Amino acid sequence: AQSVTQPDIHITVSEGASLELRCNYSYGATPYLFWYVQSPGQGLQLLLKYFSGDTLVQGIKGFEAEFKRSQSSFNLRKPSVHWSDAAEYFCAVGLENFNKFYFGSGTKLNVKP
Amino acid sequence: GAGVSQSPSNKVTEKGKDVELRCDPISGHTALYWYRQSLGQGLEFLIYFQGNSAPDKSGLPSDRFSAERTGGSVSTLTIQRTQQEDSAVYLCASSLGPAGVERRDTQYFGPGTRLTVL
Repeated sequence: AQSVTQPDIHITVSEGASLELRCNYSYGATPYLFWYVQSPGQGLQLLLKYFSGDTLVQGIKGFEAEFKRSQSSFNLRKPSVHWSDAAEYFCAVGLENFNKFYFGSGTKLNVKP
Repeated sequence: GAGVSQSPSNKVTEKGKDVELRCDPISGHTALYWYRQSLGQGLEFLIYFQGNSAPDKSGLPSDRFSAERTGGSVSTLTIQRTQQEDSAVYLCASSLGPAGVERRDTQYFGPGTRLTVL
């Protein structure tokens, strides 16, 4: 069965520090991978996506993610976190026909001043 | 342009009552998804509509849940005989649809309806 695991429920980093949010997936076929952000009181917004090609993908707001097939991972990174990045982040896998998406349980990011 | 809208934004109901949640997708989007987000949980897929085709209902948790989409646009999620475990935020998303992978991938989410069953 398909699944997405985000092992970190909460993460706190200092403003200006680097960030890495972990995501592991279980899916037999070629995964289509996504990261979404949900800010307080806001809807989910797509940060970036991976379908094929270069395994390092760039997204909005300075985020990037790297697909590692051998580790079944798609970790999200940012070199320097801003206070406005405090939000909840969701990793997701889309099936080939895009008729279904599986989301992880999310990681809440707190940013210390 | 206008995004995905959902109504009501909040709904409080008593156990056993029926509720209807509405989603207005972005104009021109043929694909529509419903998700449930329970406290501390990720998004749980409920149902998928593509145009006027029969929906993929494989994620609906019980036969108390149903959804329809009229004219390939507005969708209504109905929960009959609500239970306390139905309390959650119900999210709707739409996307451009199956005109190639690049058009089908990006879902645009609405703000959600927070359902509380007392």
